Order: sequence, then structure tokens, then C-alpha cells
Amino acid sequence: DAKTTQPPSMDCAEGRAANLPCNHSTISGNEYVYWYRQIHSQGPQYIIHGLKNNETNEMASLIITEDRKSSTLILPHATLRDTAVYYCIVRGDTGRRALTFGSGTRLQVQP
Amino acid sequence: NAGVTQTPKFQVLKTGQSMTLQCAQDMNHNSMYWYRQDPGMGLRLIYYSASEGTTDKGEVPNGYNVSRLNKREFSLRLESAAPSQTSVYFCASSEQRTPTFGSGTRLTVV
Repeated sequence: DAKTTQPPSMDCAEGRAANLPCNHSTISGNEYVYWYRQIHSQGPQYIIHGLKNNETNEMASLIITEDRKSSTLILPHATLRDTAVYYCIVRGDTGRRALTFGSGTRLQVQP
Repeated sequence: NAGVTQTPKFQVLKTGQSMTLQCAQDMNHNSMYWYRQDPGMGLRLIYYSASEGTTDKGEVPNGYNVSRLNKREFSLRLESAAPSQTSVYFCASSEQRTPTFGSGTRLTVV
């Protein structure tokens, strides 16, 4: 699975969009980009995933660059409850299905 | 649906004691996983089970054993607990691409 690089921490004002970047320059053609978050010490929560196209669901949007070497998770209107550690994970769709977690980005939403 | 249920939620063990962490899922998933998370770190895979009857080692299997009892249940056993195993343990299950995680077991070994 390709390695990912995320900033260790970010701040965002409540009500504003939070844009969390992720670099995955060694991603290969069959590898998906997944985003999870972990609020306090709870279990990780799935947010969104994608292969090539941009994706949107009720929680967030995922923007993947055309060369697929980086992506951005967008929380359109961040709230205090979005304060969490966000993990960007790249994984192929064959073989072992376990996700490999890095250190993630700690997002602090400020009132 | 309960999703993934882990028991117990908290446990304190003395060095050398043994215990089993239980995990059950009600989503009819084939794959199940055990992770540990040390303070300030990401999750690390201990063991996983791709399907009922199979188990494989992950990144940090030493000191642990697992049993895939049936499709629903996947247990993690510490035979002789050590302080280095103080951690939060998460179980997860998946069918396709996006694992669902339990709420964790916080284990302290003194």
C-alpha cells in the first residue's frame, strides 16, 4: 500500500470549510484513498473513499488530483464536533483488506 | 444494529496475568481485525481474519493469540500480560472496503 503524508495538525474556524491535504505520490492504479477520523479515543469512523473521481457524501467531499498523487478532504461547514484526528489511508482492492493507519492530522475547530 | 461490540471496555491486569478480549459483529462480515493504539500513535494491526476459520499475523502479533470462533466473533488473548501491552485495543470488521470499528477496550498492565 502506498505511503501517505499529512500535516500533523491544523486549525479551522467554526462554520468555515476545513480542507485537509494528503500526499500519496506513490499511489498505484488500483489503490483507493480512504478517510477516517477518530474523535477523542473512540473507534475510527469512516468518512469517505474514492479511486479517481471526486466524491461527496453527507459528511464530506473528497477531491483527488488528476495525477492521483494527492487528495483533499473537505468538511464544508466545520463544527466543534469535527475536532478529531483525520487519517488518510491508501489501500489496494486485492489481498488483505486491513487498513494501515499513520499518525493523521489533528484538526482543531475553534469557536 | 449494534455493529461491532467489544468487551470489556476497561481492564486492569497485573504483569503475567492472562485475559481474553472479546469482539462480536452483527453485520455478517467475513473479515475481522484487531488493532492496538498507543498514546499519540496511529492504530497498528495485531491480527486479522479474512474469513471464518482463517487468521493471519499483522504488524505487531508478538504476545497475542487470536481465535475466530465463528463468523460473528473474533477474540484476542494475552497469555502473559506485560506493561508494554498497555494500550487501547480496537476490533473491526468489514465485508468490502470500509471496516467498521468498535469503541475499544482500554487495557492497563501494571
